[in-house]
Amino acid sequence: DAGVIQSPRHEVTEMGQEVTLRCKPISGHDYLFWYRQTMMRGLELLIYFNNNVPIDDSGMPEDRFSAKMPNASFSTLKIQPSEPRDSAVYFCASSFRRREQFFGPGTRLTVL
Amino acid sequence: AQSVTQLDSQVPVFEEAPVELRCNYSSSVSVYLFWYVQYPNQGLQLLLKYLSGSTLVESINGFEAEFNKSQTSFHLRKPSVHISDTAEYFCAVSANDMRFGAGTRLTVKP
Repeated sequence: DAGVIQSPRHEVTEMGQEVTLRCKPISGHDYLFWYRQTMMRGLELLIYFNNNVPIDDSGMPEDRFSAKMPNASFSTLKIQPSEPRDSAVYFCASSFRRREQFFGPGTRLTVL
Repeated sequence: AQSVTQLDSQVPVFEEAPVELRCNYSSSVSVYLFWYVQYPNQGLQLLLKYLSGSTLVESINGFEAEFNKSQTSFHLRKPSVHISDTAEYFCAVSANDMRFGAGTRLTVKP
């Protein structure tokens, strides 16, 4: 298996623009997680899905953030409009039945 | 809900010295426990895990951790560290959901 795939790996955008981050989980995994990591705040869980259904989105910062999982092999995290404070590394991870999570390489987002 | 506490945010140590990174958790139900490692500019990688069975688990690069149910701990140890072990280490617990600790930055000095 290729592991968790994230795209793009790097994104530079201007404040106010829409940003879409993509994730393909490992085949057969039933949980998918979105995290954000910054030096100041560390690793933060944003949202997670079980069988494509959002279970806990209490970590989503505000209404500018939204996440979808239309099928078992694809998820998106969207920020609209983006702000400089959204600059961070965003990780997607997947797991089978709450066991170990497998992380993607991350998307480094810079909002100017 | 469960929680995880990593007691040290930074641990500096000299090469070939032993190290212990501490992790305590709280949960009202049985748990799975994990340690992850993150090298600079990389994602998190699973280092070792406790799901059931033997309470002492080992990784391929010499780390070990022991599940202590009475003390609700899962400390990570290595008897002799290398420069290449310099990284951020995260403890995680999975029960009703999954929670990560704040991380411990291990710096190995020559």
